[in-house]
Amino acid sequence: DTAVSQTPKYLVTQMGNDKSIKCEQNLGHDTMYWYKQDSKKFLKIMFSYNNKELIINETVPNRFSPKSPDKAHLNLHINSLELGDSAVYFCASSQDRGHGEAFFGQGTRLTVV
Amino acid sequence: GQQLNQSPQSMFIQEGEDVSMNCTSSSIFNTWLWYKQDPGEGPVLLIALYKAGELTSNGRLTAQFGITRKDSFLNISASIPSDVGIYFCAGRAGGTSYGKLTFGQGTILTVHP
Repeated sequence: DTAVSQTPKYLVTQMGNDKSIKCEQNLGHDTMYWYKQDSKKFLKIMFSYNNKELIINETVPNRFSPKSPDKAHLNLHINSLELGDSAVYFCASSQDRGHGEAFFGQGTRLTVV
Repeated sequence: GQQLNQSPQSMFIQEGEDVSMNCTSSSIFNTWLWYKQDPGEGPVLLIALYKAGELTSNGRLTAQFGITRKDSFLNISASIPSDVGIYFCAGRAGGTSYGKLTFGQGTILTVHP
């Protein structure tokens, strides 16, 4: 039973397209995150939601819009995809924003061509 | 913003050797975490540290939260081939960064049998 699952695992798309990545956690956690890992493996936070409320937005372009329909789900929608958006995107969750023990999904490798 | 400097960037060792890696920060953290990432997978939590000076073990792994709260190290004893992967330190500060993890650049570990 996967704790943090995200779909799809791989996503190849053309520049200018709009795409979404979905994430679900079954850990009962209150806080969910999106992280981006670049080609040098550097991990950087993008967004954080606590009980469906946006609490962290790390200067991410407006083309990226997270959405949390409930505290177990956090989706990421990306408009007008650019070549530089190619990366691995990780969803993560933690019990609440006071706990740093974040559990990560398997990642979505996005390739923009 | 906060920065974590993780070293070494890569290590090539023989099976059975001990490994040590560390992270230093330009600012204070309240929590230090160590993760391991295998190819094509998300980071997996190895050890969590919550108090300055804390020393915690998880099997062959030992990690310490530095007294100054600006550094942490991870030791792996008697390395085995399955220890291969990328190891990340991550720190969590308080205040407006509540919940956000800042990651080090990663240490790529290669173990020769």
